[in-house]
Formats: sequence, C-alpha cells, structure tokens
Amino acid sequence: AQSVTQLDSQVPVFEEAPVELRCNYSSSVSVYLFWYVQYPNQGLQLLLKYLSGSTLVESINGFEAEFNKSQTSFHLRKPSVHISDTAEYFCAVSEETDKLIFGTGTRLQVFP
Amino acid sequence: KAGVTQTPRYLIKTRGQQVTLSCSPISGHRSVSWYQQTPGQGLQFLFEYFSETQRNKGNFPGRFSGRQFSNSRSEMNVSTLELGDSALYLCASSSVPQSYNEQFFGPGTRLTVL
Repeated sequence: AQSVTQLDSQVPVFEEAPVELRCNYSSSVSVYLFWYVQYPNQGLQLLLKYLSGSTLVESINGFEAEFNKSQTSFHLRKPSVHISDTAEYFCAVSEETDKLIFGTGTRLQVFP
Repeated sequence: KAGVTQTPRYLIKTRGQQVTLSCSPISGHRSVSWYQQTPGQGLQFLFEYFSETQRNKGNFPGRFSGRQFSNSRSEMNVSTLELGDSALYLCASSSVPQSYNEQFFGPGTRLTVL
C-alpha cells in the first residue's frame, strides 16, 4: 500500500535563504506525485505535480521538485524564499486508479 | 468560474449528535473527494464520489458516510459524533477521477465537537 512520509513537521528559514522540504513515498508500482500548499485559513492549492517524463518539475513561483525513483523521493526546493512562502506544504502520492494519499505536512516559516 | 464551496464554514456540535456537511464542486466537475484534516494526522482521505458512485473509500468507521447528487453536489454525514471528530473537513473536486488530476479544494468546514 502506498504511503507518504514528510520528515520535517516544521522548517524555519530566513528570507532569501534556500529551502528543501523532504518527501519520501512507499509504493510498489508507478505513482503520480504532487505538492500542495495551504496558506493560513485557506484550502489547499496545487503547487506542482509529476506524472511522467522529465523528473524535474517546476512551479510558476520558483519552487521545483525532483522525482527520484531509486530513492523514492520527491523533495521540494526553492533557491530563495520570500515571507509570502510561509505556509503548510503537503506532499501527496497516488497510484493509477487509486486514491490520493497525503503526508502529514511541513510548516514552512520564513523569517525576515 | 466559481470555486469549490463548502457549507457551513463552522459548526459546533455535542457528542452523540450527527452532522451533515455540504460541498458544491466547480461547475463541470464530476469527482468530489472528502478529507479530514487534524494537526496530528494531516489530511486523511475519507471517500471519493464520481458520477454519484463511491469510487474509493478511506479507513474511517461506518459513522462517516457520504453521497453525491446528480448535479455533482456532495454531502458528508457523521453520526454519533465523538470528540475526536473535531477537525477541518475539506472537500475537493476535479473533472475526472482523482488519481492523477489536480484537485481543487474548498476552504473547509471546521467542526468542533464538545
């Protein structure tokens, strides 16, 4: 059965510093991978997704994630964070025709 | 296009009562999924409905049930409420079944059980 592990529950970082939010998954078959972001008092929004093809996927606001099949990871990175990136980030995985499973989330706190 | 709407936004109930939450998906979307979000457990999948049929179900007791209407609107019902049912309940819609498609989330219904 598929599962998702987000190793860090909280990540504090200063503005303009780089950040990496870690995500590992467990699955025996091909998977689809997602990162969602939840700003305070809002629902979740899709940040980026990997379905197939290039293992490096990018979002419009500077985040990127790399699918690493051998390490079963899909870590999220940004070279320089802004205060506005403060939010909770959820990694999610699904197998074909199966349900979407979310990790427990990582709270990114950006300090000035 | 209007986004996913959920009603009510806040709800306070007491143990033993039952509650019904409503979700209206984005126009044209036929898949509706429900999630329970708590600080310790993150998002846990409850169930997904597609074209009025339950397509997938998470590991929740039978007290949690749902349905979808012909206009794709969905309701979730929790009977015999327990303190542990206090959570943010999120609804998400997509145009096709959820496995690989982007989910559009509503703002959630915050349920407090006293």
